[in-house]
Amino acid sequence: GQQVQQSPASLVLQEGENAELQCNFSSTATRLQWFYQRPGGSLVSLLSNPSGTKHTGRLTSTTVTKERRGSLHISSSQITDSGTYLCAMERNNNAPRFGAGTKLSVKP
Amino acid sequence: GPKVLQIPSHQIIDMGQMVTLNCDPVSNHLYFYWYKQILGQQMEFLVNFYNGKVMEKSKLFKDQFSVERPDGSYFTLKIQPTALEDSAVYFCASSLEGPSNERLFFGHGTKLSVL
Repeated sequence: GQQVQQSPASLVLQEGENAELQCNFSSTATRLQWFYQRPGGSLVSLLSNPSGTKHTGRLTSTTVTKERRGSLHISSSQITDSGTYLCAMERNNNAPRFGAGTKLSVKP
Repeated sequence: GPKVLQIPSHQIIDMGQMVTLNCDPVSNHLYFYWYKQILGQQMEFLVNFYNGKVMEKSKLFKDQFSVERPDGSYFTLKIQPTALEDSAVYFCASSLEGPSNERLFFGHGTKLSVL
């Protein structure tokens, strides 16, 4: 079955609004990683945390492994934030498994 | 930051031919990965490689697939023979330590078109 589920599938925001992206996983995770996939396809690692909350710039990642969920908060969204955000779950020493992504569009 | 290079960026081949996708990982990294993404679909894990061995593979890693990193050169994914359903973008990644301990760094992908 689907190990990692992301919601919403797509999100449209006005520039300056905040975004909250959700990630739920079906088995116990060791860590969640969040990636940004550019429209051209390349991936950039954003944040990685096993549990709790982590910040970098306008991004905040929260992972609650006991409840098998995580989230990525983007504050004051910018047009250049548009793209697909992927959540990847790691379990024990297995390679990350990805969700289907949230496609974010930020409009002027 | 650290870069993973994939060569070529696009490869077009006829069904049944062999293809080798090349990945130049971050220089001091020890763990290597291949992922497959069909256009518009989810990124799917194929294989994880360390110390000359496959550590983990998914059911997508068919018998026609093989990986190697001879003498610390390119980390390669070979498909022989190719099938139409192998058309996808293949992403290589590397990390210094194993999964769950270290961030993965991804290449830009090789788009494989099987005709």
